[in-house]
Amino acid sequence: DGGITQSPKYLFRKEGQNVTLSCEQNLNHDAMYWYRQDPGQGLRLIYYSQIVNDFQKGDIAEGYSVSREKKESFPLTVTSAQKNPTAFYLCASSRVPTGGSTDTQYFGPGTRLTVL
Amino acid sequence: QKEVEQNSGPLSVPEGAIASLNCTYSDRGSQSFFWYRQYSGKSPELIMFIYSNGDKEDGRFTAQLNKASQYVSLLIRDSQPSDSATYLCAVKRGSTLGRLYFGRGTQLTVWP
Repeated sequence: DGGITQSPKYLFRKEGQNVTLSCEQNLNHDAMYWYRQDPGQGLRLIYYSQIVNDFQKGDIAEGYSVSREKKESFPLTVTSAQKNPTAFYLCASSRVPTGGSTDTQYFGPGTRLTVL
Repeated sequence: QKEVEQNSGPLSVPEGAIASLNCTYSDRGSQSFFWYRQYSGKSPELIMFIYSNGDKEDGRFTAQLNKASQYVSLLIRDSQPSDSATYLCAVKRGSTLGRLYFGRGTQLTVWP
């Protein structure tokens, strides 16, 4: 089955700790994205990557870091510098549009992070 | 002005009615428009996308785009209780790969 997996589903972090959220896709998509969602809010872009070994900051990159060493993987690290990290984190991926295809983004199931 | 605006709702309709969800966007250069459905506690799932002015129908769903008015809507005909969810409007600028801008979503409740 093709799809996007995120792990863990739930994550608890103590203040001052760094944590890494996993995102893997087997859709052969070139582009991958990380979003944050707070209750009653839309999705806010943290980082995105269009190609291996390259990524760009989104609107709320402060306190987060990413890497893109493999096409299939785009892990997100929430560092201790992120002051309010409790949120629902969503990973997405898309193709690069060619011809009549779209670059629709498809989402993984999400990771819910809670800071204790 | 926010990039993408939606009425937050909640919108409540009876089963079998038409639900109308609206979205406006600020960038006239926007070219691709997406509607996602998100059930409580779950991730968004794509319902429809639309690129051209006019209507696009897929089953009970119709997306309507008016680029002159910078307005996109989603109509759900014969609404079912299973349609109760938050509906997110997303907009992409340009015709090449790029980021999506999301609205806050409209919460829809369909009551039996």
